Amino acid sequence: DTEVTQTPKHLVMGMTNKKSLKCEQHMGHRAMYWYKQKAKKPPELMFVYSYEKLSINESVPSRFSPECPNSSLLNLHLHALQPEDSALYLCASSQDRPSGSRSGSGPYNEQFFGPGTRLTVL
Amino acid sequence: SQQGEEDPQALSIQEGENATMNCSYKTSINNLQWYRQNSGRGLVHLILIRSNEREKHSGRLRVTLDTSKKSSSLLITASRAADTASYFCARGNTGFQKLVFGTGTRLLVSP
Repeated sequence: DTEVTQTPKHLVMGMTNKKSLKCEQHMGHRAMYWYKQKAKKPPELMFVYSYEKLSINESVPSRFSPECPNSSLLNLHLHALQPEDSALYLCASSQDRPSGSRSGSGPYNEQFFGPGTRLTVL
Repeated sequence: SQQGEEDPQALSIQEGENATMNCSYKTSINNLQWYRQNSGRGLVHLILIRSNEREKHSGRLRVTLDTSKKSSSLLITASRAADTASYFCARGNTGFQKLVFGTGTRLLVSP
């Protein structure tokens, strides 16, 4: 199974709502990512999890709260969003070296992306 | 900005023609990757070239990397209408999986 799945495909929410985006992969990848992509722009990294621990937070506002319950699942909890948060939210996964191993290039860097969740904040 | 720059921003060609997209970046890299994105959907990995490689092929794709010029190019030969998509380069940093995407090239291949 080389697929990353994301639910829901589309989400419309008000600024006072609380919602969650879900991402799942069964490729045994230990690194998972959330990206935000605005129309006609490149994806921008939000968060990286490695071995279920948050390793990178790209100064994302606290109204976005990531969670990695286990090695296959990644959630993004949304609360009190703004209309400018409307975007395509992409999840990705990749192989990662175990912590403490030598860094460098290898076959580990390809990222597999899900189809995304199209979020509209009213 | 950490983003790489891609040019052209948009490219329109006929089926059968070749398409060349260029990517420039400013910092050192561990590897450079190319991804394709069909309209409003997820990205698909096309090819990865490491900093010690100069050229790589995959089917109709050819990628070159010039680390002295901090640039890469993606060539799609004998293009097809199905190649219509946005193409992004992404640079990989040493030691971790963080990718920084370029601005992208929108390719339109007309039948």
